Amino acid sequence: DTAVSQTPKYLVTQMGNDKSIKCEQNLGHDTMYWYKQDSKKFLKIMFSYNNKELIINETVPNRFSPKSPDKAHLNLHINSLELGDSAVYFCASSRDGTGGGYTFGSGTRLTVV
Amino acid sequence: GQQVMQIPQYQHVQEGEDFTTYCNSSTTLSNIQWYKQRPGGHPVFLIQLVKSGEVKKQKRLTFQFGEAKKNSSLHITATQTTDVGTYFCAGKGSGGGADGLTFGKGTHLIIQP
Repeated sequence: DTAVSQTPKYLVTQMGNDKSIKCEQNLGHDTMYWYKQDSKKFLKIMFSYNNKELIINETVPNRFSPKSPDKAHLNLHINSLELGDSAVYFCASSRDGTGGGYTFGSGTRLTVV
Repeated sequence: GQQVMQIPQYQHVQEGEDFTTYCNSSTTLSNIQWYKQRPGGHPVFLIQLVKSGEVKKQKRLTFQFGEAKKNSSLHITATQTTDVGTYFCAGKGSGGGADGLTFGKGTHLIIQP
């Protein structure tokens, strides 16, 4: 019954590795997002996808790449992980891109060592 | 780009006291949303304000949207220990399109019993 589910919940990995975080929503929402929350709890948008089209790509390194196989999934792939990538990553979805509350997943705590 | 500023960063109150957090945007917003994040949890949507001067209430919580649609506030009456968490405002610009929300840095509410 989980509306927005992310896996894994925790991810510990070494610098230089490549990792992916998966996200799925069963709400029938049109737009999905990835947010990064740093140690000070600041939430910063990374990407959004609407109908398989990338709408936003803020100043995010190209080591990060969103992949959306279908409307209900938006995965995040990270290449060559760096220490500064350690954070909590939240997936979210909304009904459309012009309004309405976001439903967030429970987050993935990424620790790069 | 759009900036959303939120104050205070931290607020300590005694249980039963009132609490207010304020949000200001550098640009006019089409709407503003409020979220609550419990410690260790994920942001949960509380409410959306759309109209200039709008006021909405949810039990002990009162939300206001400024006349110029550039500021907002959340007021909690008679705080309870269950109110502990970080409260975020999030704004969407008035330029239209499927833009993601810009979050304020949040106000951490700490309640002393």
